[in-house]
Formats: sequence, structure tokens, C-alpha cells
Amino acid sequence: GDSVTQMEGPVTLSEEAFLTINCTYTATGYPSLFWYVQYPGEGLQLLLKATKADDKGSNKGFEATYRKETTSFHLEKGSVQVSDSAVYFCALSPGGYNKLIFGAGTRLAVHP
Amino acid sequence: DTGVSQNPRHKITKRGQNVTFRCDPISEHNRLYWYRQTLGQGPEFLTYFQNEAQLEKSRLLSDRFSAERPKGSFSTLEIQRTEQGDSAMYLCASSTSGGARESRATDTQYFGPGTRLTVL
Repeated sequence: GDSVTQMEGPVTLSEEAFLTINCTYTATGYPSLFWYVQYPGEGLQLLLKATKADDKGSNKGFEATYRKETTSFHLEKGSVQVSDSAVYFCALSPGGYNKLIFGAGTRLAVHP
Repeated sequence: DTGVSQNPRHKITKRGQNVTFRCDPISEHNRLYWYRQTLGQGPEFLTYFQNEAQLEKSRLLSDRFSAERPKGSFSTLEIQRTEQGDSAMYLCASSTSGGARESRATDTQYFGPGTRLTVL
């Protein structure tokens, strides 16, 4: 069945470092892809999304490109801040359906 | 605040008891979803409604679980005869939906804060 695999955490970075969180997926058809973020004590929030191959989603300095050839949707940010510390979830929505299938999440800790 | 709300935020119960959670979606959203999240894992899909119709149920939703959305607005999730393995965060989300042609555009799901269930 459809699934999402993302890199295990925690990822620990210093402020202003470059961030990459890897995400690969398995799906039939043409899924839409998402990154959600969960800040401490808060609910899940959509960070960015891409609905077709080669689309780039971006928000708050984060970017991810839908790569169909490598079935990947890696999250990147050029310069992280302490306030980016959170758990990041990669997810897909199978073609034609809106339910979300999530990866296990990657915890990011950014230190000053 | 016009976001998705869930009540209660925390529930502690003894094994074998029944529990019910409520979700109030964003008012104009016609789709409502339930997910379950255990520690260290991503949310797992349980079921979803379009208006009052329950359109899909996961195999995770055993016969002890029942969800309703009687008037197409708020929804309840009931767990009967709770087991320790039911301990988890139960998340609700809502979204709008277009017609079948727009389904691949995938409307954004907005999540509530969740109800944390602890079964002793």
C-alpha cells in the first residue's frame, strides 16, 4: 500500500545552519505531497504542499520539490532559527482521495 | 477562534469503560477526518465524513469504535470497552472539498489540538 518514509531524528543543528529532512514515498497513481509541522504544545499545521510532479512548495523559508523520478519530497531550509524547533511530518494524499498518510515524523532541535 | 476544536483535551479512563470525544470543524468545511497518533509515530487515518455521510473507514477502526456526524457539523468518536492499546492522541481535521474533478487538488486539512486518551 501507499506509505511515506522520512529520516529518523532527532536532527540537531546550530542556528543559521542548512536543513535537509529526507522524505520518500510509495504510491500508486499521482499523490499530492505535504509537509506538516507540530510545534511544542500545538496541533499539526500545514507547512507546504505540492500537487504534481516538479511542483515546488514553499513557506516561511522552507522548500520542497515533488520529484516523481526519485519518489521524493525532501524538506530544505537555508538558515534555521531556534523557533523552527518542532516535529516535521511528511505526508501524501493518494490520487483521488483526501485522506493523509503520514511518515513517522522527524524532530528538529535548533540551538543558539 | 474559528479553528477546529476538540473536547475534551485529555481523558483518563479505566480499561473496559466507554469514552466519547467531540470534534467541531471549521464552520464552512464539509469534510471531517479522524486520525490516531501514538507516541513517536505519525497520525494514522481512521475515518472521514463528507457532510453526514461516512465515506471511508480504516481497518484500524475496530467494531469497538464508532464515529458519527449526524447533522454534518460536529462529529463524535466513541470507543467502547477501552483497552490499554487504545491510549493515543485522537486528532480531528476538517477541509472543504470540490467535486470529483477537483479531488486531486486536495484541499488543505486543518487539524484540531487533539484529545489525549490514557487507558489505565
